[in-house]
Amino acid sequence: KQEVTQIPAALSVPEGENLVLNCSFTDSAIYNLQWFRQDPGKGLTSLLLIQSSQREQTSGRLNASLDKSSGRSTLYIAASQPGDSATYLCAVNTGGFKTIFGAGTRLFVKA
Amino acid sequence: DAGVIQSPRHEVTEMGQEVTLRCKPISGHDYLFWYRQTMMRGLELLIYFNNNVPIDDSGMPEDRFSAKMPNASFSTLKIQPSEPRDSAVYFCASSDTGQGASEQYFGPGTRLTVT
Repeated sequence: KQEVTQIPAALSVPEGENLVLNCSFTDSAIYNLQWFRQDPGKGLTSLLLIQSSQREQTSGRLNASLDKSSGRSTLYIAASQPGDSATYLCAVNTGGFKTIFGAGTRLFVKA
Repeated sequence: DAGVIQSPRHEVTEMGQEVTLRCKPISGHDYLFWYRQTMMRGLELLIYFNNNVPIDDSGMPEDRFSAKMPNASFSTLKIQPSEPRDSAVYFCASSDTGQGASEQYFGPGTRLTVT
């Protein structure tokens, strides 16, 4: 059974710091991995999608990597800003569009 | 496109009442997903449809839950009778087939409170 774990559960950093959020999954047979952002009381916004054949994806200050063999993905946020404060969710697609979500990392960026 | 639309945004009901949540997917998307998010269990997939046909409903918690997709632009998730433990945020998402599995686009969610 696929399980997705995100570490840390919460993170507080000063503005301008570079940071890394971690996601691990137990079964390497995945179709793709997606990182989402969720603001309090709101829906999920897709940040980056990495197909199983890819190693990384970049969008602006965000970079996501995927290492299927070790069951790990990281989301790197460069030069963090207070507006980056949110919960970040990692989601693994195990095929047939069945998606398993991690519990998320709550990020707070202090001004 | 307006994105995935869900209604109502908030629903408060009494235990035992029927609740119907609605979703309009992004036009052209042929996959539709219903999720539930709680503090205890996080985000869970309840059911998903492809071309209006339910493909996997293994996440539906009980027979009190049912979902339909009568056409490509509308889906409902019904709870009858509702119970306090059904209180959660229910999200609808849609996706297109594309080259391989594509991104899922989420609606704003319906916050359900059952008293």
